[in-house]
Amino acid sequence: QVQLQESGPGLVKPSQTLSLTCTVSGGSISSGSFYWSWIRQPAGKGLEWIGRIYTSGSTNYNPSLESRVTISVDTSKNQFSLKLNSVTAADTAVYYCARYVAVALYFDPWGRGTLVTVSS
Amino acid sequence: QSALTQPASVSGSPGQSITISCTGTSSDVGGYNYVSWYQQHPGEAPKLMIYEVTNRPSGVSNRFSGSKSGNTASLTISGLQAEDEADYYCSSYTSSSTPVVFGGGTKLTVL
Repeated sequence: QVQLQESGPGLVKPSQTLSLTCTVSGGSISSGSFYWSWIRQPAGKGLEWIGRIYTSGSTNYNPSLESRVTISVDTSKNQFSLKLNSVTAADTAVYYCARYVAVALYFDPWGRGTLVTVSS
Repeated sequence: QSALTQPASVSGSPGQSITISCTGTSSDVGGYNYVSWYQQHPGEAPKLMIYEVTNRPSGVSNRFSGSKSGNTASLTISGLQAEDEADYYCSSYTSSSTPVVFGGGTKLTVL
């Protein structure tokens, strides 16, 4: 059974870069037709799709974040990563990684999420 | 502002049935059978409950069902139980600038 786990700093200073890693266990990140995705949720608010990377390495980003976001994959470590630069307090949120099933277009499973606070 | 519109809250008593709506456009909900629903308890990650409008993953109670009519998808929970109290989000494939859109979420209260 595939499981995902986010990791990274919980506190980032304004204008700096937020960096998170999602480790995939129980299956290979290179196999199957999946998009490996990042989603965030500010406190008390709804879900916002950030972007995704396909097993081939191609990426798609939310246009509202595209100029600041990079998602990459490290197949040797079975991990994919998120970098969001020039962060502000508006980027404070719980960040989730999730597997998006390409055939049926749904997210499953999700990681437990990690809170990232942007503050000096 | 979310791309898909959900009621902010719904409530029901144990044993009753409730329905949560998710309204989009012909570019998302109405145009494709790729609507999914997620349950989120406080402090936890979202959990897939319904995919492709009507399909239930293994392990999800058959008290949960999905449907769609035009640009509106619906999640129905029958035989409400206290454990169903949670936030529910819909999501859809979209042909717009982002391939995925979410609803704003609905808080279900079991009275």
